[in-house]
Amino acid sequence: DTGVSQDPRHKITKRGQNVTFRCDPISEHNRLYWYRQTLGQGPEFLTYFQNEAQLEKSRLLSDRFSAERPKGSFSTLEIQRTEQGDSAMYLCASSLAGTAVKGYTFGSGTRLTVV
Amino acid sequence: AQRVTQPEKLLSVFKGAPVELKCNYSYSGSPELFWYVQYSRQRLQLLLRHISRESIKGFTADLNKGETSFHLKKPFAQEEDSAMYYCALSGNNDMRFGAGTRLTVKP
Repeated sequence: DTGVSQDPRHKITKRGQNVTFRCDPISEHNRLYWYRQTLGQGPEFLTYFQNEAQLEKSRLLSDRFSAERPKGSFSTLEIQRTEQGDSAMYLCASSLAGTAVKGYTFGSGTRLTVV
Repeated sequence: AQRVTQPEKLLSVFKGAPVELKCNYSYSGSPELFWYVQYSRQRLQLLLRHISRESIKGFTADLNKGETSFHLKKPFAQEEDSAMYYCALSGNNDMRFGAGTRLTVKP
C-alpha cells in the first residue's frame, strides 16, 4: 500500500464543464475525507464517509458537488457546471474509525483550475 | 463550533534561534489537537499529536486548556524546518484546520 492516491494530479477545465476526481485511500482505512484548500488557507472540510455511508457534509458543499464511495473503498468527487471559484486544491484523506487520535493520512491532492 | 486560529501567516527566524508557532482553538468538548506540516512540493503530513506528548524533529507542543492553546515550539530552528505548518482540531468526527503559518528559517 503506497498511501492515499489521488487522480488526476492536475485538471484544467472550462467554466461550465463537469469534472470528477478519484481518491484511493489506504486499504484498511474505513473513513475517507474530502477537503478543499485555496491559496493562503488551510484545508476546509467538505465531506466524509465511513465505509460507503456519507456521514457529514459541509455547507461549503453546494448542490453542484457530489461525492460517492460506492463500495466503501475508493471515492469520487464530482463538480458539475464548474465555476472559477471552484479553482482549488482538492485533498483526500483517510483514517481508521476510532483512531482519530492517530491523525489522518493525506493524498497529494488534485489541483483544479477553472478557466 | 470548532475553530482553529493561527494568528501568524508568516514567521521568519534565523538558524539556531528558538521558534514558536501559535495556535488557539475553540471547542466545547475535549479536543484532540494536531500539528501538520507541508514541505515544499510534498503532501500534508502529520507532525505530532497532543495526546502522545511526543517530540518529533525537535518540535514539541503542549495543550493548555486554560488558554485554549496548542503552540508548537522548537528550541533551535534548522533550515530544513522551513515549511507550512497547520494546527488542526479533531472534534466531532472530522478535523478542522487553521489557515497555516509559513515558517522560514534563514541561514
